[in-house]
Amino acid sequence: NAGVMQNPRHLVRRRGQEARLRCSPMKGHSHVYWYRQLPEEGLKFMVYLQKENIIDESGMPKERFSAEFPKEGPSILRIQQVVRGDSAAYFCASSPGQGVGTDTQYFGPGTRLTVL
Amino acid sequence: GENVEQHPSTLSVQEGDSAVIKCTYSDSASNYFPWYKQELGKGPQLIIDIRSNVGEKKDQRIAVTLNKTAKHFSLHITETQPEDSAVYFCAAPLGTGRRALTFGSGTRLQVQP
Repeated sequence: NAGVMQNPRHLVRRRGQEARLRCSPMKGHSHVYWYRQLPEEGLKFMVYLQKENIIDESGMPKERFSAEFPKEGPSILRIQQVVRGDSAAYFCASSPGQGVGTDTQYFGPGTRLTVL
Repeated sequence: GENVEQHPSTLSVQEGDSAVIKCTYSDSASNYFPWYKQELGKGPQLIIDIRSNVGEKKDQRIAVTLNKTAKHFSLHITETQPEDSAVYFCAAPLGTGRRALTFGSGTRLQVQP
């Protein structure tokens, strides 16, 4: 029973490039959440999506960041024109769409983004 | 929105002792409180959670207690082992009806063999 999968695990980009982070939820889960963790800090919510819908993007920076969760395929967090301050670990979590524990979130291993 | 505060930031115990980590929250309507364990270089792992309709939940050496009146919840680890060493985070929903979580600042637990 595969858990939440994220790729790549490590990503290095130069300032101004684009970063694409992918997340495949646990089997049977239809809700995806993205969180960011700066070094030595806690996790900060970014965006919550269901298939083809953004439900809550209150934690997303207004510029350069976007997220999608298409009908087919993984959820993607996209960062355009990266800056050094974007360097962080980005975690995806998923939860079931219905049934008991629909709000229980299970996390993936994260993508560690380094901006040079 | 909800605000979660976590204490202590670091905790060192001897193997076999108990460890207690405490979190307070601000929104009296919050109804779900998970705890996560994060090892170095890994993603957070859900270890236990509690909902507001119960006061205590236990799973082997791990227990969580909830005091709704005082708006705090605590993680208790008994008979600690070196493999319990990690950073522990408490969390709560960001707001009423919201699924997104807000996290405490974390407790680094070190179990000395």
